[in-house]
Amino acid sequence: SQELEQSPQSLIVQEGKNLTINCTSSKTLYGLYWYKQKYGEGLIFLMMLQKGGEEKSHEKITAKLDEKKQQSSLHITASQPSHAGIYLCGADAQGAQKLVFGQGTRLTINP
Amino acid sequence: DAGVIQSPRHEVTEMGQEVTLRCKPISGHNSLFWYRQTMMRGLELLIYFNNNVPIDDSGMPEDRFSAKMPNASFSTLKIQPSEPRDSAVYFCASSLPGRSYNEQFFGPGTRLTVL
Repeated sequence: SQELEQSPQSLIVQEGKNLTINCTSSKTLYGLYWYKQKYGEGLIFLMMLQKGGEEKSHEKITAKLDEKKQQSSLHITASQPSHAGIYLCGADAQGAQKLVFGQGTRLTINP
Repeated sequence: DAGVIQSPRHEVTEMGQEVTLRCKPISGHNSLFWYRQTMMRGLELLIYFNNNVPIDDSGMPEDRFSAKMPNASFSTLKIQPSEPRDSAVYFCASSLPGRSYNEQFFGPGTRLTVL
């Protein structure tokens, strides 16, 4: 079965700094999804990547899927307190309409 | 749109009691997913429905868990009897048909505590 490993597990950065979160898959990724979760709330869809080398941006968040389609990175530029939360990557389970999720990366932004 | 609605938001019960969690998906979404989230195991898919029909329930822990979707606007997840290890946050999510099926919209979750 497909497994996703996220790194780091937690991250504390100063407001205004850039940061990167990685998601590595044990198998080729056919669809990679990034979600954000705030404490006590559900997940919010951020972006989906499908093609090797694809890159998407939303405001100050950029996600990339590497050419070999086994790793994705999420990059936040000039972090703000509103970026704090848990970021989860999810992958299409091949041949099935469902997602497998990584363990999440807890991001804290210090003012 | 109100988004995915879940009730109750918090549930505290005693071991052995029956627990029913409820979900109303976004209107027009034909796929519905039930997840469980714990610190130890992360976010796990329990079961999902397409057009009110259960498609994959391989994530349901055991026979104590059951889920139904009697119509397009309502689903329940029932635990009977409940055990302390069932304590977790349970999420319901829904999605549109077609290629957007995994762009899922999550509800706020139900935090279940079994004493």
